[in-house]
Amino acid sequence: QLQLQESGPGLVKPSETLSLTCTVSGGSISSTAYYWGWIRQPPGKGLEWIGKIYYVGSTYYNPSLKSRVTISVDTSKNQFSLKLSSVTAADTAVYYCARLSTGASNYYYMDVWGKGTTVTVSS
Amino acid sequence: QSVLTQPPSVSGAPGQRVTISCTGSNSNIGAGYDVHWYQQLPGTAPKLLIYGNTNRPSGVPDRFSGSKSGTSASLAISGLQAEDEADYYCQSYDSSLSGSVFGGGTKLTVL
Repeated sequence: QLQLQESGPGLVKPSETLSLTCTVSGGSISSTAYYWGWIRQPPGKGLEWIGKIYYVGSTYYNPSLKSRVTISVDTSKNQFSLKLSSVTAADTAVYYCARLSTGASNYYYMDVWGKGTTVTVSS
Repeated sequence: QSVLTQPPSVSGAPGQRVTISCTGSNSNIGAGYDVHWYQQLPGTAPKLLIYGNTNRPSGVPDRFSGSKSGTSASLAISGLQAEDEADYYCQSYDSSLSGSVFGGGTKLTVL
């Protein structure tokens, strides 16, 4: 059974870089059938797509975050990572990693989610 | 302001049927991109409920169904149960934004 687990600091100072890692277990991140993505949810608010990556390193980012986001993949560790630079309080959120599939659809959906990790931006 | 518009809240009594709408535009749902639905129980991660407009993943009860027409999509829940009380989100692709978009979410209350 595929599982995803987010990890990283729960507290980041303003203007610094937020760094999270998602570890994939029970399956290979190098599968040609899937992308891997990051989604966040500010306290009391809705979901926001951050970006996605393919196992060879192809990336697509939310245009509103593109200048600050980098998503990378490490196939040897079965992990992918998120870096968000120059953070402010507005970046405080629960960050989720997810597997993206297109089976029976013309666009990606998130069929497996991690449990999420809370990141607070504060000095 | 979300690209996909959902009602903030809906409610229904146990056993009743409710629908949640997801209204988009010609750059997303109206352009033919599929709509997917997620259920988020309190304090938990979202869970895929409907994919490709109408398909249910294994394990999702057939009380949940999805549809799509024009620039809108709908999620219907029949035979409401207390355990259905959750937030529901629609998701699609927007060509003008070149990325995935979510609705603002709808809170379902079972009376």
